[in-house]
Amino acid sequence: DAKTTQPPSMDCAEGRAANLPCNHSTISGNEYVYWYRQIHSQGPQYIIHGLKNNETNEMASLIITEDRKSSTLILPHATLRDTAVYYCIVRAPGAGSYQLTFGKGTKLSVIP
Amino acid sequence: GAVVSQHPSRVICKSGTSVKIECRSLDFQATTMFWYRQFPKQSLMLMATSNEGSKATYEQGVEKDKFLINHASLTLSTLTVTSAHPEDSSFYICSARVLRAGVSYEQYFGPGTRLTVT
Repeated sequence: DAKTTQPPSMDCAEGRAANLPCNHSTISGNEYVYWYRQIHSQGPQYIIHGLKNNETNEMASLIITEDRKSSTLILPHATLRDTAVYYCIVRAPGAGSYQLTFGKGTKLSVIP
Repeated sequence: GAVVSQHPSRVICKSGTSVKIECRSLDFQATTMFWYRQFPKQSLMLMATSNEGSKATYEQGVEKDKFLINHASLTLSTLTVTSAHPEDSSFYICSARVLRAGVSYEQYFGPGTRLTVT
């Protein structure tokens, strides 16, 4: 799986948009970008994933650059409950790519 | 949908005893489950991949005789930490894989089990 690079930490004011960047310059054509988050002392929670088009769901939006070498996760209106470590993971979706490999992620702190 | 549960959520045991952790997929069948371990202030590290009806595949450096994994049904995998020692104290997380729209595999995680060995 392609390696990703994320800033170790970010702050965001409550109610504002949180934009979390991720670099994945070695991504392959069949690899998706996945985002998970882990709130303290809980299991990781799936947020969103995409291949090349921008994606949006009830939790977040995912913006992938045209060359697919980087992406941004957007939480449109951050709340205190969004404080967590956010992981950007790149992997192929097929059965042969079994496990998710977690890097260090970005620790997002939402500030009142 | 795609809910994964773990039991117990917390366990304290004495050094030398064994502890079993259960991982269940509640509303789907999972042919493959994964076990991760997370030490304080560190990221998740994959320990093993568990396939229903066959032997688990362990990552390098993980002792298969110490961390026994059983995946006897499509909804249940168990991790047994044998002869636990204080250095085994950690947060153990399981996840289950499900096929979505016949195209891509997604992983969903359990809430984790905090093991403390005294």
